[in-house]
Amino acid sequence: DTGVSQDPRHKITKRGQNVTFRCDPISEHNRLYWYRQTLGQGPEFLTYFQNEAQLEKSRLLSDRFSAERPKGSFSTLEIQRTEQGDSAMYLCASSSTSSDYGYTFGSGTRLTVV
Amino acid sequence: QKEVEQNSGPLSVPEGAIASLNCTYSDRGSQSFFWYRQYSGKSPELIMFIYSNGDKEDGRFTAQLNKASQYVSLLIRDSQPSDSATYLCAVSKGYSTLTFGKGTMLLVSP
Repeated sequence: DTGVSQDPRHKITKRGQNVTFRCDPISEHNRLYWYRQTLGQGPEFLTYFQNEAQLEKSRLLSDRFSAERPKGSFSTLEIQRTEQGDSAMYLCASSSTSSDYGYTFGSGTRLTVV
Repeated sequence: QKEVEQNSGPLSVPEGAIASLNCTYSDRGSQSFFWYRQYSGKSPELIMFIYSNGDKEDGRFTAQLNKASQYVSLLIRDSQPSDSATYLCAVSKGYSTLTFGKGTMLLVSP
């Protein structure tokens, strides 16, 4: 078990472009979460999956954002028509349904929109 | 009022001292409380969680919870320079999503 894996680690994109991030959770974890963290702030919840079902979405997740977890394993987060305000660290975390002892975060994807 | 409040710091302590980090939360329905450590440019790392009123100790770390006062704290004994990081307080209402504070920066000087 190598922990939660996120790809890419860094992404620089031009405003208006689409970007997609990938998260591979810890294999036995059924729950997967996406958070966003901007400089000087704590992580903010975006969305949550249990297996392949997306159970909760934050109002922060505008129409330009979409997340999937098609087979209940890895997940993708896509941002369409990126804006400078989307620049942030996007964090993925996973946990098991049998306990609620907090999350294990991946290393994150740092997005810079220029 | 923000849901989870922390003093942004920095909190400066000398090596070997006790560092005390504090957090207040607004939602009385909060059930679980977490402390994460985050080094600059890295992702948060879970170091402690607490559910019940009182103290919980793990090595040099002690988490304290007072639900009546809606207050959570983290004590770090024998602080080391390697403890220098931002400490994030997070709360959960039992539905798995966590609400984080902005974090307190801790600086431990040799």
